[in-house]
Amino acid sequence: QVQLQESGPGLVKPSQTLSLTCTVSGGSISSGGYYWSWIRQHPGKGLEWIGYIYYSGSTYYNPSLKSRVTISVDTSKNQFSLKLSSVTAADTAVYYCARALIVDSYYFDYWGQGTLVTVSS
Amino acid sequence: SYELTQPPSVSVSPGQTARITCSGDALPKQYAYWYQQKPGQAPVLVIYKDSERPSGIPERFSGSSSGTTVTLTISGVQAEDEADYYCQSADSSGTVFGGGTKLTVL
Repeated sequence: QVQLQESGPGLVKPSQTLSLTCTVSGGSISSGGYYWSWIRQHPGKGLEWIGYIYYSGSTYYNPSLKSRVTISVDTSKNQFSLKLSSVTAADTAVYYCARALIVDSYYFDYWGQGTLVTVSS
Repeated sequence: SYELTQPPSVSVSPGQTARITCSGDALPKQYAYWYQQKPGQAPVLVIYKDSERPSGIPERFSGSSSGTTVTLTISGVQAEDEADYYCQSADSSGTVFGGGTKLTVL
């Protein structure tokens, strides 16, 4: 059973960089066939896709966040990470990591439990 | 990128049938996926590739597609089905989620 677990600071100051890591267990990031993704949900709002990375390092980002987002992968640790720079209060959200299965298109079959990140001074 | 449009809310009585729609211009060309999210929990996939049901998802959940609209149908709604439901689709531009529909079981 694949499990994903987000970790990182729950409080980030405005203008700083938000950094989160997702640790994958029960499966290898290097196995291919999946996009390793970040998705966020503002309080009381809907889901917003942030971006994904393939095990090879190829990335694709939401155009609305692209200038501030970096997703990286560490296959030796079976982890992938999110960095979001120049954060504001509008970046306060629950951040989920998720595995996207690539079949014809792709969809999210496993999710982490989510972690709340608050941007405040 | 494109948009997926869902009704904000749907209400049904227990045992009735709930239908949640999702509309988008790209849906005739792209598969749609449905997720159920209960308060404080991560989303769970309930339908993939328009109408396929993952293992472990009750048979009362079904999906269909017609033109620019896909529909999630929950037959014989139970109290435990009260949740937010999101449609999702993906193309070369990335992934898009619908705004979500709150299903209330009266």
